[in-house]
Amino acid sequence: EVRLVESGGGLVQPGGSLRLSCAVSGFTFSAYWMMWVRQAPGKGLEWVANINQDGSEKYYVDPVKGRFTISRDNAKSSLYLQMDSLRAEDTAVYYCAGSGAAASWGQGTLVTVSS
Amino acid sequence: QAVVTQEPSLTVSPGGTVTLTCGSSIGAVTSGHWPYWYQQTPGQAPRTLIYDTNNRLSWTPARFSGFLLGGKAALTLSGAQPEDEAEYYCSLSYGGVVFGGGTKLTVL
Repeated sequence: EVRLVESGGGLVQPGGSLRLSCAVSGFTFSAYWMMWVRQAPGKGLEWVANINQDGSEKYYVDPVKGRFTISRDNAKSSLYLQMDSLRAEDTAVYYCAGSGAAASWGQGTLVTVSS
Repeated sequence: QAVVTQEPSLTVSPGGTVTLTCGSSIGAVTSGHWPYWYQQTPGQAPRTLIYDTNNRLSWTPARFSGFLLGGKAALTLSGAQPEDEAEYYCSLSYGGVVFGGGTKLTVL
């Protein structure tokens, strides 16, 4: 069974940091691109970042460039998102998702940026 | 940055057929944009229905099919069921990924 389980969300003040994790099981993690997607309350899906199989290619949506860092640990079948200098507009449910035949999604973790 | 466009809303009758489209502001959509289609029901995480234009996942009902049509990516639902009422999103790859704004599909 394919499972993606996000963790690390919570309430943080503007300017603060959080590190999201996504634990993956049920498919060969190291063989697939992975991505983070967010959804603000009542809004649509917004791609945040993606990373290739060995971590050598990374892409980010413009609003998070220089503040967020995507990474992966293939030995642990885990995906990460380091989020620094958080802003109120980063408030959203954050999902990790696979690609291709492994395009499953996690259940999401809520990040709330508020003072 | 490209803008990906979808119909804001569509309605289909139970048992009917409907086609959703996904266009790009900077030109025709091709297979090189690796079109994906996703379904999201209220309060749930999205799930992927179609990847790379026309490939179903193991959980995707056969009534969903993806293809390219007139410079856009398209998703056809044939034989709509009440449980197909949902928000549908497409995404296109330009190196990074861009999601469309979503289509609210009503089965009525």
